[in-house]
Amino acid sequence: GQQVMQIPQYQHVQEGEDFTTYCNSSTTLSNIQWYKQRPGGHPVFLIQLVKSGEVKKQKRLTFQFGEAKKNSSLHITATQTTDVGTYFCAGLWEYGNKLVFGAGTILRVKS
Amino acid sequence: GAVVSQHPSWVICKSGTSVKIECRSLDFQATTMFWYRQFPKQSLMLMATSNEGSKATYEQGVEKDKFLINHASLTLSTLTVTSAHPEDSSFYICSALVPSAMTDTQYFGPGTRLTVL
Repeated sequence: GQQVMQIPQYQHVQEGEDFTTYCNSSTTLSNIQWYKQRPGGHPVFLIQLVKSGEVKKQKRLTFQFGEAKKNSSLHITATQTTDVGTYFCAGLWEYGNKLVFGAGTILRVKS
Repeated sequence: GAVVSQHPSWVICKSGTSVKIECRSLDFQATTMFWYRQFPKQSLMLMATSNEGSKATYEQGVEKDKFLINHASLTLSTLTVTSAHPEDSSFYICSALVPSAMTDTQYFGPGTRLTVL
């Protein structure tokens, strides 16, 4: 079945350091979405990328969608303690409306 | 943005009982809703796709007789966990599909934490 691989599983950074999580699909995606889930909370939609090579920014967060629409990344510049949580990517393929979630990357920020 | 609610937010029940979870789209109509399950420290796994006015489509390995889904209106889908057992304890999350010109977007409810004793 369709899968989205996400790495790393876990990242522990010092406050102020950067953080990146990567997602990869073996087949071309229609779009990719990113979610953040705080401990004990539910996933909250961050952004959706649709176009090949697309780059979107939300303050310190930069989202990229690869040219082949098979991979994506989320980069956080100068992490803060409020960035703590699990970041999930979720892929959507053409001719379908089912999101397939990556395993998630747990981010811990040490102050 | 679109708002999706879930009720209850948490529930504790005895083994063998049934539990119903509601998922509502508050400010839009959703012909399609999805039900996910998330075990601790794991990702979201799609259980089924709920379509208004028709039978739900279940993912492989999900027992349709155990997890009953009813999408009776354009704003409400329900998931009933029948004869719940401790291994059914999990975080159940629904989402509602909002179609758009560019691409469809799913909006997630806050989740229901089920604990079966």
